[in-house]
Amino acid sequence: KAGVTQTPRYLIKTRGQQVTLSCSPISGHRSVSWYQQTPGQGLQFLFEYFSETQRNKGNFPGRFSGRQFSNSRSEMNVSTLELGDSALYLCASSKGQRTYEQYFGPGTRLTVT
Amino acid sequence: AQTVTQSQPEMSVQEAETVTLSCTYDTSESDYYLFWYKQPPSRQMILVIRQEAYKQQNATENRFSVNFQKAAKSFSLKISDSQLGDAAMYFCAYRSNDMRFGAGTRLTVKP
Repeated sequence: KAGVTQTPRYLIKTRGQQVTLSCSPISGHRSVSWYQQTPGQGLQFLFEYFSETQRNKGNFPGRFSGRQFSNSRSEMNVSTLELGDSALYLCASSKGQRTYEQYFGPGTRLTVT
Repeated sequence: AQTVTQSQPEMSVQEAETVTLSCTYDTSESDYYLFWYKQPPSRQMILVIRQEAYKQQNATENRFSVNFQKAAKSFSLKISDSQLGDAAMYFCAYRSNDMRFGAGTRLTVKP
């Protein structure tokens, strides 16, 4: 079974621009979560989607948004990029919420200049 | 809010020896799940082991085992017969409504 895939793997953007990251979960998984990983803040939860609905949201500004499609693929968008948004963005999928372990993708490395 | 604390930023172990990584968490819930994840350098996060809070028996996966103390809200990971490939960042995670991670412990394995 194929694992979680994320595209693109690397991205360089300029302050003020917007970016869209994509995540394809493991086949049969209906839940997708997004995390931001930085050396200073560690792993921080962004949001979780299940059956196309956002179920949980972390403490991030409204510039961070996401969505999930009917095939469980998910995208996250960051608008008006700031230097502090430079991070590794991880996507994780699971069969369902709460009781299930999450399987992570390789991440998208975003650099904002 | 649930918090997860890993008090050891770095740990070191000799190859073939045993090492224990510590994790404590804070929660008012009774139903939750705990995990240890491993993130090798520049590589993908991998699930190591999982523990359901309602189970008293400690989880074991080959050389990896946990010591789950629910009352103390402690969830340590023991790695036996350490191998060079065990070198990585190890994250303790708590899952209830969402997933919360500790800051991680960097494990070095010395040959």
